[in-house]
Amino acid sequence: EVQLLESGGGLVQPGGSLRLSCAASGFTFNFYAMSWVRQAPGKGLEWVSAVSDSGGTTYYADSVKGRFTISRDNSQNTLYLQMNSLRADDTAVYFCAKDGCSSTSCYNGRYFDSWGQGSLVTVSS
Amino acid sequence: IQMTQSPSTLSVSVGDRVTITCRASQSISIWLAWYQQKPGKAPKVLIYKASSLERGVPSRFSGSGSGTEFTLTISSLQPDDFATYYCQQYNSYSLTFGGGTKVEIK
Repeated sequence: EVQLLESGGGLVQPGGSLRLSCAASGFTFNFYAMSWVRQAPGKGLEWVSAVSDSGGTTYYADSVKGRFTISRDNSQNTLYLQMNSLRADDTAVYFCAKDGCSSTSCYNGRYFDSWGQGSLVTVSS
Repeated sequence: IQMTQSPSTLSVSVGDRVTITCRASQSISIWLAWYQQKPGKAPKVLIYKASSLERGVPSRFSGSGSGTEFTLTISSLQPDDFATYYCQQYNSYSLTFGGGTKVEIK
């Protein structure tokens, strides 16, 4: 059974930093690209960032480019999101999500078939 | 690529046929997924590649469309289906979601 367990959320002041982690199990982690998706209170879903299966390629939404850094440690089956220069509008539940299909099995598998439970990040003074 | 869902809210009864539409601002071929989300929970994928049913999802859910216009249909709404539904394009990064459709009890 696939499990994704986020940690690292909490309350941070504007301009501060936070690092989220997502511990993965139940699948071959280094076969799949991974993403972070967030959801502000009472709002819809917003894709934030993605990293390729090897970790060599990263992608970011314009709203976080230059402030957030995604990375992964395939030896530890863990995904990370380093968040710097946090703003009030970064307040959200952050989900890690697994691609639905590996790059070796599908031409395009960039939908999400497994999600973590979410980690709340609150940016406030 | 912007994704526009309609309607934003749908008031329906158990047994009704439900149709939700998602429009892309440019062609995304068949690279569209549909998700169901209940309050306080993570989203769950229902449909991928516009019309492929995810394993374990009831057959009353179906998807159709290609290019810029897509539809999610629930053939006969069940009590467990009251939730918010999102479309997501994955033709290219940045990945984008629609604004959501809340299906509520009439």
